[in-house]
Amino acid sequence: GQQVMQIPQYQHVQEGEDFTTYCNSSTTLSNIQWYKQRPGGHPVFLIQLVKSGEVKKQKRLTFQFGEAKKNSSLHITATQTTDVGTYFCAGITGGGNKLTFGTGTQLKVEL
Amino acid sequence: NAGVTQTPKFQVLKTGQSMTLQCAQDMNHEYMSWYRQDPGMGLRLIHYSVGAGITDQGEVPNGYNVSRSTTEDFPLRLLSAAPSQTSVYFCASGGTGPYNEQFFGPGTRLTVL
Repeated sequence: GQQVMQIPQYQHVQEGEDFTTYCNSSTTLSNIQWYKQRPGGHPVFLIQLVKSGEVKKQKRLTFQFGEAKKNSSLHITATQTTDVGTYFCAGITGGGNKLTFGTGTQLKVEL
Repeated sequence: NAGVTQTPKFQVLKTGQSMTLQCAQDMNHEYMSWYRQDPGMGLRLIHYSVGAGITDQGEVPNGYNVSRSTTEDFPLRLLSAAPSQTSVYFCASGGTGPYNEQFFGPGTRLTVL
């Protein structure tokens, strides 16, 4: 079954509010990648984290990789309508060559 | 560069029919993969390939076959379509492996009646 879960499944915010999505794996991840999929589009790579406890920022987006490498989060500060879409985490579990995606968090931003 | 291309964009099949979803990339990537996307399930890995002549099963391989005769192409074959295979299918490629950024194609929306 699905080894990488994300919460929440949906999030509806007012423009300017913050947003966080959490990614949890049942097993240790070798890496964590984050993707964004706009409505009707395809997933687009945002970032990759590899080290335990790593934190990376991209403008209003902050990505964290947990100390145990089993969880990760994406935080968006002051959301904008351009942030609308579904955010996926993905990681390699148990070594090997399989990239497992999370269930995704759909973000809607209202004016 | 076209990146990752997929054909067709839309397809309707009847139960029991077979078809091939095409995927091609022009970035000389060794690693390619197929995912299906269903509401609430995220993206689930069907098959992947680490190079020409090498393929392996993902999370949900049943009912699908793949082959990788060239670096550029990675077709996905549905042997006998079933309504449970109604989904959006994405092909992706990424460098030499899953540790690299994955580039996705535009997807194929498949309906099986």
